[in-house]
Amino acid sequence: IQMTQSPSTLSAFVGDRVTVTCRASQRIDQWLAWYQEKPGKAPSLLIYEASTLQSGVSSRFSGRGSGAEFTLTISGLQPDDSATYFCQQYDAYPYTFGQGTKLEIK
Amino acid sequence: QVQLVQSGAEVRKPGASVTVSCKASGYKFTSRDMHWVRQAAGQGLEWMGWINPESGATGSSPEFYDRVTLTRDTSIRTAYMELRNLRPDDTAVYYCARQVSGMDYWGQGTLVTVSS
Repeated sequence: IQMTQSPSTLSAFVGDRVTVTCRASQRIDQWLAWYQEKPGKAPSLLIYEASTLQSGVSSRFSGRGSGAEFTLTISGLQPDDSATYFCQQYDAYPYTFGQGTKLEIK
Repeated sequence: QVQLVQSGAEVRKPGASVTVSCKASGYKFTSRDMHWVRQAAGQGLEWMGWINPESGATGSSPEFYDRVTLTRDTSIRTAYMELRNLRPDDTAVYYCARQVSGMDYWGQGTLVTVSS
C-alpha cells in the first residue's frame, strides 16, 4: 500500500492552523497513525486509528478521515511544532509510511 | 514506565552482518508485537518487519525478507534484528518500536554504518 503525503514542506506562523494530507493507494479503513519526528530523536506517536489522540499529546493535534484519505491538523502552531510529520498505514503488511512533511515555523 | 533500550552504534564492512538488540521494560514483553523501522540520513521511515514475542512469529518487508532475521529472548525481554549481506545503502538508524495501535514506544535508535 503506497502512502502519499502532501505537501512535502510547509511553512507557517506561530498561531496558524495547518493541515497535512495522506492518501493511501487502497482503502485502509481507520488503520492510520501520525508521527512527529524531530532531528536526532525517535518518532513520537501523535494519533492512531486515524483520529484518536495518543495519551499526553496536545489537543491542538487532530486527525480525520477513513478509507483512503486522511488529514492531520495542527491548530495554534507553536515553535515546538517544528518537525517532520509522517503518516503510516497498519492495515496490511508490509506497513508503509508516507514520505514525510517538514513543517517550518516562521 | 515503558522503555526500549537499543544496543550501541555499529560499523561493518560490505557483505558483513549486524545484530541490533532492543531490551524492553515497564510492560509485559510478550503482550505486544515489536516492529523494526529504519531511517537513512535525510530520508523517510522504512518499515522492516515485526515479531510476536510470545509466539516468535515474524514477518518482514519484501525489501528485506532474504536478509533480515527477527528473534527474541523472552527470558531477558529482548528482541533482536539481524541484517545480513550489508551494503553501503543499509547505512541508517535502526529503531525498534512497540506496536499497539500505531507504534507507541520507540527505542532510541542504533546507527549502523556500512563502509569499506
